[in-house]
Amino acid sequence: SYVLTQPPSVSVAPGKTARITCGGNNIGSKSVHWYQQRPGQAPVLVIYYDSDRPSGIPERFSGSNSGNTATLTISRVEAGDEADYYCQVWDRSNDPWVFGGGTKLTVL
Amino acid sequence: QVQLVQSGAEVKKPGASVKVSCKASGYTFTTYAIHWVRQAPGQRLEWLGWINADNGDTKYSQKFQGRVTITRDTSASTAYMELISLRSEDTAVYYCARAMIVVAHSEFDPWGQGTLVTVSS
Repeated sequence: SYVLTQPPSVSVAPGKTARITCGGNNIGSKSVHWYQQRPGQAPVLVIYYDSDRPSGIPERFSGSNSGNTATLTISRVEAGDEADYYCQVWDRSNDPWVFGGGTKLTVL
Repeated sequence: QVQLVQSGAEVKKPGASVKVSCKASGYTFTTYAIHWVRQAPGQRLEWLGWINADNGDTKYSQKFQGRVTITRDTSASTAYMELISLRSEDTAVYYCARAMIVVAHSEFDPWGQGTLVTVSS
């Protein structure tokens, strides 16, 4: 089945830019969705179809996808952005919906 | 607003089964699909299966095929996930999430609040 690889952790100072990557074989040919999960809460969609933002998600959140890497970028990071972030794709296999291992974003 | 509300926490013994409900509101239930995803302590999100709330068609993860059954009651706008032959490794938070039916690679939005299932003797 398709495998998505994320770094376990990313640390960034407040006001700086955080970039969280999601690696997969030719992931640029797939649609990538990103979810934010704060401790003890359910996941929340923050980016869909590589770079679209749902209503209510700040413009500081953006996404890109090319080649073997998709990237979630959070600009002007705030303390409230501290959470786990998961990427997701759909793949033509017996287990079609796949999640990355998650990245814990720490705001220093 | 669109909302998915799940049933409460469960404690089960190994070998038992559990059935979790997911009640939808704020939209027409039969125009979307419902997916089920679980998260064991400290682990990644894991997809279990989905149901087309319109016609009841289902698809399950190979890993859980034979142990999981997803159903729906359109009159109650509610989807259900039943997992049988429980073992300690099934201890996890189970989530339901809404997605489009006609677009296979649709995003999951929104998610239910989660249901903790604990399997312990």
